Amino acid sequence: AQSVTQPDIHITVSEGASLELRCNYSYGATPYLFWYVQSPGQGLQLLLKYFSGDTLVQGIKGFEAEFKRSQSSFNLRKPSVHWSDAAEYFCAVGAFSGSARQLTFGSGTQLTVLP
Amino acid sequence: EAGVAQSPRYKIIEKRQSVAFWCNPISGHATLYWYQQILGQGPKLLIQFQNNGVVDDSQLPKDRFSAERLKGVDSTLKIQPAKLEDSAVYLCASSPRGGRTDTQYFGPGTRLTVL
Repeated sequence: AQSVTQPDIHITVSEGASLELRCNYSYGATPYLFWYVQSPGQGLQLLLKYFSGDTLVQGIKGFEAEFKRSQSSFNLRKPSVHWSDAAEYFCAVGAFSGSARQLTFGSGTQLTVLP
Repeated sequence: EAGVAQSPRYKIIEKRQSVAFWCNPISGHATLYWYQQILGQGPKLLIQFQNNGVVDDSQLPKDRFSAERLKGVDSTLKIQPAKLEDSAVYLCASSPRGGRTDTQYFGPGTRLTVL
């Protein structure tokens, strides 16, 4: 069965600083990987996704993620964090069997941005 | 384009009572998902519909949870009777066709508190 680990429960950065959120996955086949962001009282919004091809994926809001198969990782990065980036971030791996489309999420990383 | 709509946004009930949640997916989306998100955890898939048929309900506690998708559009998720451990946010998501590269779009969720 697939699984996702987000080692950092909570990260605090200063506005303008760089950010890296870690994600490790376990999946027997070629993974389909996602990063979602969840603001308080809001649903999850997709930041970016990786299916194949270039291992460096660009997303919305200036985020990018790099797929490293050898490390089973899909870390999320942003060069300069804005106060509006404060939210909870979830990494997910997609498993597909026939028509079933199961996303398995990590437990999330809460990001606090200091002024 | 209107997003995924859910109601109610909040619900408080006592254990052993019943409760129902409603979801209206993005217009034209064939695939609908219900997730359960317990505090401090990532969302967990409960059930997936393709049009009005169930594709995957392997993680749905069928002794107390039920879901239906009438006419392949709106969906309801019911819990009867509720237990304390059902306290969570229930998220509905939809995707255009359920393809491997489809993005799942999430609603704002219904926060359920069971006392």
